[in-house]
Amino acid sequence: DVKVTQSSRYLVKRTGEKVFLECVQDMDHENMFWYRQDPGLGLRLIYFSYDVKMKEKGDIPEGYSVSREKKERFSLILESASTNQTSMYLCASSVRWWANTEAFFGQGTRLTVV
Amino acid sequence: DAKTTQPNSMESNEEEPVHLPCNHSTISGTDYIHWYRQLPSQGPEYVIHGLTSNVNNRMASLAIAEDRKSSTLILHRATLRDAAVYYCILRKAGNTPLVFGKGTRLSVIA
Repeated sequence: DVKVTQSSRYLVKRTGEKVFLECVQDMDHENMFWYRQDPGLGLRLIYFSYDVKMKEKGDIPEGYSVSREKKERFSLILESASTNQTSMYLCASSVRWWANTEAFFGQGTRLTVV
Repeated sequence: DAKTTQPNSMESNEEEPVHLPCNHSTISGTDYIHWYRQLPSQGPEYVIHGLTSNVNNRMASLAIAEDRKSSTLILHRATLRDAAVYYCILRKAGNTPLVFGKGTRLSVIA
């Protein structure tokens, strides 16, 4: 089974901290994605990556950065956490979309910034 | 991406079929129709996708209108486990991310 694993299910961090959310996939997928999900706003794309060391901004990249040093790992970085970044964060991966196949999601990390 | 319109919520009785509609009147010829669902406290999961013809898999069926301006996800026998938010998404063939709308919240009554 394809597996996308997010390092933590729940996290509590303080305002101003640097926060790392880690995502690992075990299916050799080229594409990886980070979304956040908030009540009433749905899932919004933060960043995505088509390959190692490649990154593209999504709809809401402000306040975030990403790192993809290895194909299987995609990290989301909150440079200085703020309370408005309290949210559910979801990682996903897929093969290249040429064949229009499916994306696989992790279970999510619920981040609370206090 | 072309826009989709879904009802905010629907309700179904357990063990009855459920038809979840999606309108996509601005769909282009290269747009695929994808469905995902999100169970409570989980990430979204793929359900089914199609281009022009109706599609079946172990989870559901996808019925696509002849003009492709609407589609319907069919769950043949709803179970309590099917209670989720269902998202209808249009995707162009090519390497672009999924863009989620608000989806339809399906409640299943025992």
